[in-house]
Amino acid sequence: DVVMTQSPLSLPVTLGQPASISCRSSQGLVHSDGNTYLNWFQQRPGQSPRRLIYQVSNRDSGVPDRFSGSGSGTDFTLKISRVEAEDVGVYYCMQGIHWPWTFGQGTNVEIK
Amino acid sequence: EVQMVESGGTLVQPGGSLRLSCAASGFTFSNYWMSWVRQAPGKGLAWVANINHDGSEKYYVDSVEGRFTISRDNVKNSLYLQMNSLSAEDTAEYYCARAGGVGTVDYWGQGTLVTVSS
Repeated sequence: DVVMTQSPLSLPVTLGQPASISCRSSQGLVHSDGNTYLNWFQQRPGQSPRRLIYQVSNRDSGVPDRFSGSGSGTDFTLKISRVEAEDVGVYYCMQGIHWPWTFGQGTNVEIK
Repeated sequence: EVQMVESGGTLVQPGGSLRLSCAASGFTFSNYWMSWVRQAPGKGLAWVANINHDGSEKYYVDSVEGRFTISRDNVKNSLYLQMNSLSAEDTAEYYCARAGGVGTVDYWGQGTLVTVSS
């Protein structure tokens, strides 16, 4: 299985400050169609996951533009430009090209 | 509004069986692949199974292959997960999710809790 490795696993952030989460895959995520199927999900406490980003950098409708995704090959990053209180939760990267699809361990974002 | 509502989760004894259901609404169900994803208490997310539009293709993670069966009824707009030979390692919140494109899921249900314990 493709292993998705996130860092850090815990991320205390001051309100209004930026945050960055790294995700590294054990295999490349570029499909034969040329697209890279790397997603980011947010799971707020007590809630279901919510997709934020698909195909590395495409933000879902309704997702604030302070969230951005980047990367290529096997190295990807989710950035929050200015953390707000509602951003507290666990963030997961997920690859959707090799079966079984796999998630990273999750990064717990909390406010300092 | 896209919505998925799971049901069927409960306490079951080791070795037992359970069938989960997911009622979908707000979209043309038969046009989408669907997935089951689970989350053990306090743990991360883990894929369980995928099924294509008409149910002719099914994919399972190794740990459930041969014990779990994913299926769907496009007339009833429903997704199912038949789980047999359950063990404590299957204790988790089970989420139904819509595969809204290649290599992704875009909407999730609220989950249903399965607890395997004697």
